[in-house]
Amino acid sequence: NAGVMQNPRHLVRRRGQEARLRCSPMKGHSHVYWYRQLPEEGLKFMVYLQKENIIDESGMPKERFSAEFPKEGPSILRIQQVVRGDSAAYFCASSPQIGGQGNTEAFFGQGTRLTVV
Amino acid sequence: TQLLEQSPQFLSIQEGENLTVYCNSSSVFSSLQWYRQEPGEGPVLLVTVVTGGEVKKLKRLTFQFGDARKDSSLHITAAQPGDTGLYLCAGPYTSGTYKYIFGTGTRLKVLA
Repeated sequence: NAGVMQNPRHLVRRRGQEARLRCSPMKGHSHVYWYRQLPEEGLKFMVYLQKENIIDESGMPKERFSAEFPKEGPSILRIQQVVRGDSAAYFCASSPQIGGQGNTEAFFGQGTRLTVV
Repeated sequence: TQLLEQSPQFLSIQEGENLTVYCNSSSVFSSLQWYRQEPGEGPVLLVTVVTGGEVKKLKRLTFQFGDARKDSSLHITAAQPGDTGLYLCAGPYTSGTYKYIFGTGTRLKVLA
């Protein structure tokens, strides 16, 4: 999973600012998943993207949050007008293709820890 | 709503002891994964179990998938301090997707 690169590793934002989190998938991977982890909790699915397409954003808040995965460059998770409740670790996972039966594995990055002050 | 409940939530044991972590659901999963996460890092996949009743071994770790594919367990033999971490089970919302639902996690601490 070292191949999935996320930056920055740590991000501090004041309330009301914007946060941009970047995820470069493993080479050859065209599917990206974003998850959020609150302290002492498991990961919660946010959004699933393929190149230039949002496939499933059912876990993402309707307001202030957006995600993209352009044809070139990393996937971006953008949080506008951050609030203290957005403080969490945000993880990105990538996979080469949709998993079939028994082929359900994605590789996670090291995460971005967002702190809103 | 699919849920994965893990127990225990916290576990502190002495080096050399054995332990079992459980992952339970009322829903059937096409597969379940077990991850270990260390502080400040992302989850690292340990194993995927697919077939009901399947048992997989990874050195001192033994993973089992329930016959009905609703639950799984992780057994660690002779735990070592290096086993310390957060253990997470996860399963796909629907077969063929990497959109996972994660368990609540078991935080293990192995004391030397």
